[in-house]
Amino acid sequence: GENVEQHPSTLSVQEGDSAVIKCTYSDSASNYFPWYKQELGKRPQLIIDIRSNVGEKKDQRIAVTLNKTAKHFSLHITETQPEDSAVYFCAASANRDDKIIFGKGTRLHILP
Amino acid sequence: EPEVTQTPSHQVTQMGQEVILRCVPISNHLYFYWYRQILGQKVEFLVSFYNNEISEKSEIFDDQFSVERPDGSNFTLKIRSTKLEDSAMYFCASGRDLYNEQFFGPGTRLTVL
Repeated sequence: GENVEQHPSTLSVQEGDSAVIKCTYSDSASNYFPWYKQELGKRPQLIIDIRSNVGEKKDQRIAVTLNKTAKHFSLHITETQPEDSAVYFCAASANRDDKIIFGKGTRLHILP
Repeated sequence: EPEVTQTPSHQVTQMGQEVILRCVPISNHLYFYWYRQILGQKVEFLVSFYNNEISEKSEIFDDQFSVERPDGSNFTLKIRSTKLEDSAMYFCASGRDLYNEQFFGPGTRLTVL
């Protein structure tokens, strides 16, 4: 089955700097890659997603890139703000089933 | 904006007891899911449900687990005989379409003593 690896497990960046979180997946059939943000004690919330027919997607300060050949995808947050502090999960899903397989998460700290 | 809701927010039970976790998916959604998250770990898929039957289940979802949509609005997860290792946050999710965004509920924290 699918396995999603995520790095780093913890990331601290100065406010205003960029943050990059990287993930790899194992199942070449995966074609939907959502990213979820989870604040402490709250539900995971989708912040951006990408499908395998595109290599990059951007939404304001957030962008995601996908390299299908290498089976890796990344989240980029620019001009980080204190409210970006949270745990971020990458995930993958394939058309043959609709379950989402999550990575282990990255705890992002935005330093003042 | 409509949201998935879950009750209770926190459930404490004794080992061996049965628990039922309740979810109300978003009203026009057709696909329903349960996930769990052990404290400090990743979110893990348990089961997906469509058209009144299980579509897929993970290895975690053994005979102690069952799901039901008893009426037009609720979606429940039952654990027949809880174990200590069932302690986790359980998230319900729903989706309008297959292979698209899944919306998560706020979770039920289950503590098995």
